[in-house]
Amino acid sequence: EAQVTQNPRYLITVTGKKLTVTCSQNMNHEYMSWYRQDPGLGLRQIYYSMNVEVTDKGDVPEGYKVSRKEKRNFPLILESPSPNQTSLYFCASGRLGESYEQYFGPGTRLTVT
Amino acid sequence: AQSVTQLDSHVSVSEGTPVLLRCNYSSSYSPSLFWYVQHPNKGLQLLLKYTSAATLVKGINGFEAEFKKSETSFHLTKPSAHMSDAAEYFCVVTYTGTASKLTFGTGTRLQVTL
Repeated sequence: EAQVTQNPRYLITVTGKKLTVTCSQNMNHEYMSWYRQDPGLGLRQIYYSMNVEVTDKGDVPEGYKVSRKEKRNFPLILESPSPNQTSLYFCASGRLGESYEQYFGPGTRLTVT
Repeated sequence: AQSVTQLDSHVSVSEGTPVLLRCNYSSSYSPSLFWYVQHPNKGLQLLLKYTSAATLVKGINGFEAEFKKSETSFHLTKPSAHMSDAAEYFCVVTYTGTASKLTFGTGTRLQVTL
């Protein structure tokens, strides 16, 4: 089944404790992206990647890191999480040239206390 | 900068009545427009897309949207609402040359009552 998977689905952590949210897709998509969803703000792009070893900032990259060492994986790293990063996070993937259409993972709900 | 405005944060309809969710986008030469749906505790699913072909676009589950350049609008409609349509709907815009940049509206929550 073609899909985007994220882990964990739910995470509660404390301020300053490094964490990684994994994202993997099995559709051989070149393009991958991370979004955060907050009430009343819709989805905002954090980082995106056009291919392996190619990443760029989205609208709200502060406090986040990403890497793209393999085509299928695009982990999101929070080196020192803060409470304002409490949010619902979505990973998405798509084909270059068709990357308008993105396939979304199920989401990761992160709470930072 | 590209932007999209969803005019209603919440819409309530009775089952069997028409649905209208409104979306306006910032003007640009070649916008691509999408509607995504998010059911409770689920990820986002593409409902339909407009990419400069026919201006009336049909999507899944009986939804359709019409691209109106003169009004910079891309409203989502359905003739008859079903209880399973209750969800949050997002209008999304991107432009040729910026395919990596999707801009989401703030969402419209659709409630369907008996």
